[in-house]
Order: sequence, then C-alpha cells, then structure tokens
Amino acid sequence: GAGVSQSPRYKVAKRGQDVALRCDPISGHVSLFWYQQALGQGPEFLTYFQNEAQLDKSGLPSDRFFAERPEGSVSTLKIQRTQQEDSAVYLCASSLGGNSPLHFGNGTRLTVT
Amino acid sequence: KQEVTQIPAALSVPEGENLVLNCSFTDSAIYNLQWFRQDPGKGLTSLLLIQSSQREQTSGRLNASLDKSSGRSTLYIAASQPGDSATYLCASEGAGGTSYGKLTFGQGTILTVHP
Repeated sequence: GAGVSQSPRYKVAKRGQDVALRCDPISGHVSLFWYQQALGQGPEFLTYFQNEAQLDKSGLPSDRFFAERPEGSVSTLKIQRTQQEDSAVYLCASSLGGNSPLHFGNGTRLTVT
Repeated sequence: KQEVTQIPAALSVPEGENLVLNCSFTDSAIYNLQWFRQDPGKGLTSLLLIQSSQREQTSGRLNASLDKSSGRSTLYIAASQPGDSATYLCASEGAGGTSYGKLTFGQGTILTVHP
C-alpha cells in the first residue's frame, strides 16, 4: 500500500484482557515509531525501532506494554492486562530514517471497558 | 524534559480570516519544529518543518516561523477556508543525538472555519 496501515481500526477490550495492535509501515522504511494519543491531547512517544532493533522504549508507560518488529517490517504493540487508562488512540509512524519526515497511520482506537 | 504548549486550545473563525496559531517550547535545544494537521479519526499529516537553523517555512497559504531563543513558533493561515477545519499540532524534535523522529507534541489547537 501507499501509506502506513494499522489494524484493527477499533478495538474494545474488557479490563484485564491482552490486546495486540499491528502496524504495516511503508515498504523500505527503516524507522518505525509508536505514539499514544489520549483524548484531547497530543501524541506521546512510546517506542522507536530502527529495522528490527528497538533503540528507544523510554516512553512505554509500564511493563505491561511490549513492542516488537522481528523482521524489521511489520510491528506489533502488545498491551497485557489492559486497564481503563490504556484507552487511547495508538499511532504508528514510519520513515526512511535520519532526517526524513514521519508518515503516520490512521491509528487504532483502543477502548478498555 | 521538553514541554510544548499551544494557544489557543480552540479557535472558531469565519471564512476568509487570517489567523495565527501559537506554539511555545521550554527547551530551545531543538533539531526542528514541525506543524501537523489531524482530521477527526485520522492520523497526522505533516504541514511544515522548520530546521533549527531556519526562521520560517512557507507552503501555499501556510507560513510557519521559528524563534528558538524565545522558544516560540507560530503558524499563520491566510484566507482561511472551511476545509482548513482540523486540529493543528506542533511538535519539537530534540537535538543532541535524539533527532531520529522522537517528537514532543503540544496538545493541539482545534480550528473551526465556518462559511
């Protein structure tokens, strides 16, 4: 596809369930980012990959959050034992790396009930 | 820790007005400053990127300026149109080796342009 693709678009989880959010970056993009956007707020950085290496995970809010990109392409953000405060839109972005611009997907809206 | 603030939080104007959105940041050691547009239920679209060595960037009816020393950026929209209605976000990218796309965002300005 031409852009960053995220799935599912919407996810409703009961508190305590595990969820997995998928990101398909633009083909050939080396860098991949996950951001969390709470309602009415700007996105906040979660984690960064360069190819398959996770170089920065300083934004992950707790050890319930885990991200991977095993083959340097598709990435999955996993949240274990979801809590209500995890409700947000999760945005994925990719770039060619270096000073290249970020291209954002449309996000996955997670609602924890 | 970098903090980015946007004023106003919301703005409603009639079509045709020129308007200014403000962004301030606490740490002037930035690599660049970017302005994004976000439509409801969508991701972010990059509008303008100003490198730290630059003063301004222009694209069509949009002009963004950067004053690093005072920690401020403004986005100027000329002759606003209803299609400009969206949330506008500014974001700084840090300097000193962290300039790989790790952005710090403001909370956004919700713009409504009515016919």
